[in-house]
Amino acid sequence: AQSVAQPEDQVNVAEGNPLTVKCTYSVSGNPYLFWYVQYPNRGLQFLLKYITGDNLVKGSYGFEAEFNKSQTSFHLKKPSALVSDSALYFCAVRDMAGADKLIFGTGTRLQVFP
Amino acid sequence: DADVTQTPRNRITKTGKRIMLECSQTKGHDRMYWYRQDPGLGLRLIYYSFDVKDINKGEISDGYSVSRQAQAKFSLSLESAIPNQTALYFCATSDPKWQIKDEQFFGPGTRLTVL
Repeated sequence: AQSVAQPEDQVNVAEGNPLTVKCTYSVSGNPYLFWYVQYPNRGLQFLLKYITGDNLVKGSYGFEAEFNKSQTSFHLKKPSALVSDSALYFCAVRDMAGADKLIFGTGTRLQVFP
Repeated sequence: DADVTQTPRNRITKTGKRIMLECSQTKGHDRMYWYRQDPGLGLRLIYYSFDVKDINKGEISDGYSVSRQAQAKFSLSLESAIPNQTALYFCATSDPKWQIKDEQFFGPGTRLTVL
């Protein structure tokens, strides 16, 4: 069965510093991987996805994610964090047994301090 | 996302009561989903519908039922609410014809408390 794991409940980073939010996956076959962000009192918003091609995927708000097949990872990154990036981040994988179904990780809360 | 609306936004109810959460969308998408979010558990799929005549159980459908009244409307019912159904509930939509066809568009959520 497909799954994703987010090993960190919370990540703290100072504004201006680079940030990384970790995600590892377990799938049979080629994975379709996603990152979503949830701001306070809002629904989830799509950030980016990886299907195939370049291992570095660029998304919204200056975020990018690096797909690493050998490490089965899909970490979310940003070169310079903003306080406004503080939110809950979810990694997800497409359920290959059912089209358009996503399996979400448990979420990582990112806190960016001024 | 204003294109996906949920009502009510907050609801407090008592154990044993039947309640309905409603979702409407103006995106014209065929596919709709209901998730619940619990701290430390992420989002879990309750039910999904790929068109008006297609309803499917998700990961945690026990204790819930759904109705797809129209392409734009997808309701979630708790037949007899219990305290462990206290959670944040999200509706989402997607469209296989959309450029990023796996992208799901989420409503703002309904916070449900069962006493």
